[in-house]
Amino acid sequence: GQQLNQSPQSMFIQEGEDVSMNCTSSSIFNTWLWYKQEPGEGPVLLIALYKAGELTSNGRLTAQFGITRKDSFLNISASIPSDVGIYFCAGQRTSGTYKYIFGTGTRLKVLA
Amino acid sequence: DTEVTQTPKHLVMGMTNKKSLKCEQHMGHRAMYWYKQKAKKPPELMFVYSYEKLSINESVPSRFSPECPNSSLLNLHLHALQPEDSALYLCASSQDPTSDEQFFGPGTRLTVL
Repeated sequence: GQQLNQSPQSMFIQEGEDVSMNCTSSSIFNTWLWYKQEPGEGPVLLIALYKAGELTSNGRLTAQFGITRKDSFLNISASIPSDVGIYFCAGQRTSGTYKYIFGTGTRLKVLA
Repeated sequence: DTEVTQTPKHLVMGMTNKKSLKCEQHMGHRAMYWYKQKAKKPPELMFVYSYEKLSINESVPSRFSPECPNSSLLNLHLHALQPEDSALYLCASSQDPTSDEQFFGPGTRLTVL
């Protein structure tokens, strides 16, 4: 199936550092979701974005809906060991069609 | 109750077996989904149920048969699977067909021998 380009593919960072990752597409999207998935578990919804330019925070996480509607960004500030996991973006082209296209994932490892 | 539950957590089956995966949510959500996720890959949509009716089948082989007995339950019946069907099977739900936020269960890790 179709996938969104997500970068970086993986990151190794020190505890306390800030993290940035992004998701890009050649197509316009109406909705962006960001999920975190830990080993053996299902994805957990972190942030939902609905409007171009929208900036939304959830604790130490901040996500932005790109102005062009073709990209989205996720930042994690002051990372902690429990931030470890795979972060997926998911984009929906047409609202209410149930179908999300998932990004390839960013694997984050935090070194204490 | 704000979660999606799935049983079993792990399942090992032979290629001639028949088994079922179960998903349940009590959030009053009216859209439910099955996804398949291979290792180190993103989830891939298989089926969507909207108000207990199948609305999307992403060209899934007939050896996978979904069922939605009521608004809280979603089953995935498995028969004559192949080893390449081994994966994490995820169930998700959303409030209604127009809601954009999908909430996932923990998944069933399926191994086909």
